[in-house]
Parts: sequence; structure tokens; C-alpha cells
Amino acid sequence: EVQLLESGGGLVQPGGSLRLSCAASGFTFSNYAMSWVRQAPGKGLEWVSVMSGSSGVTYYADSVEGRFTISRDNSKNTLYLQMNNLRAEDTAVYYCTQRNPETSRWFPSSFANWGQGILVTVSS
Amino acid sequence: EIVLTQSPGTLSLSPGERATLSCRASQSVSSSYLAWYRQKPGQAPRLLIYDASTRATGIPDRFSGSGSGTDFTLTISRLEPEDFAVYYCQQYGSSITFGQGTRLEIK
Repeated sequence: EVQLLESGGGLVQPGGSLRLSCAASGFTFSNYAMSWVRQAPGKGLEWVSVMSGSSGVTYYADSVEGRFTISRDNSKNTLYLQMNNLRAEDTAVYYCTQRNPETSRWFPSSFANWGQGILVTVSS
Repeated sequence: EIVLTQSPGTLSLSPGERATLSCRASQSVSSSYLAWYRQKPGQAPRLLIYDASTRATGIPDRFSGSGSGTDFTLTISRLEPEDFAVYYCQQYGSSITFGQGTRLEIK
């Protein structure tokens, strides 16, 4: 069974930094691209960033380009999101997601498995 | 960026009825790379349909997807209590964008 467990969220002041982690289990982590998707309170879903399984390729949404950095440690089956220069509009639940294994393209893709989400609140 | 517009915003139906949800794209979605998700309150979204019409693993056959180009539909043939939730469409033909959601509520 695929499990994705996010951690590292919390309250941070505008301009501050936070690093999210996502511990993965139940599949061969290095074989799959992983994404972060966020959801502001009471709002819809927004894709944030993706990293390929083992080649190191990354993509970002325009809204976070230059401020957020996605990375992964395949030896630890863990995905990260380093968030710098945070803004109030970054307040959201952040979900770690696995690309749909039933499709061949690594990106863009649909998302077959999601973590439970972690809340990031940016406020003074 | 491809903008997805879902309609209606809210749909009020009773258990056992048929639900039809729409997702319209601002430009053609290549290769019908469109997915549907259901999100229950306080939970993460769950993949229902991908590639416009393929049911994800474990999804019952009361869920079906159709469409191509710019117009896509999710149909739930007979509503169960757990189906009353918010539904999102997502395109992955050109980067990734989501629709704003349709809330399916009990009438």
C-alpha cells in the first residue's frame, strides 16, 4: 500500500522560510516523479512543483518559481520542498503526490496517490 | 495556461439519482489528458478518472468519464452517500491546471 506522510508545516512570518518533507513507502520511490500540490483554505487545487524520479529534472509553477526548491533523497524515500520568502498567499494545505503509475509520461501527469496534507500558515 | 471551468458550481441531488458534471477547457486538451478527482471534507483528493475516460484502480463502475477537445463530462450513474463531495477536473496536456470545483450536495 502506497503511503505518503508530510511533515514540517506550521506558522511562519511573511518573508520567512520553511521546509516540508514527505516520507514515502509502499512503492519504488526512485521510479516515480513526485509533485507538491497545494490548496488554500476553502479554495481549489494548485500544482506547485514536480521532480523526476532519478534524473533531477524539476519544474515549478510561476507563482513559486525562484522562491521554492523541490528536492528528493531516494536513499531515504523522501521528497522535500524548501520554501523561502514566504507570502500570505502561500498559506495552504500542501499535499505530496505520486504521479499515476498507469501512465507512461512522467510529467505532466495525473496524481494517483496523495498524502494527508500539511498546513502552512504565513502570517505575522 | 489552459483554464478549466467547471459547471455547475453546486449540484443538489438525492441518493440514487444520476449526476452529470461538466469541465470546459479554454483550449483543446491534447490527447484527452484530463482527470477527475473527488474530495471529501477534510480529506485529500482521490483520483477517479484519467485520460478522460479510464477509471482509476478501485473506482466503481458507477463513475464514468467522457469527452475530448475542450468539453469533458463526469457522470455518476447512481449517487451513493459517500459521493456527496467536491469534484475537480485537472488537465495535464500542457503543464497542469485544475478547475475550480463542483460541489455535489444532498437535496
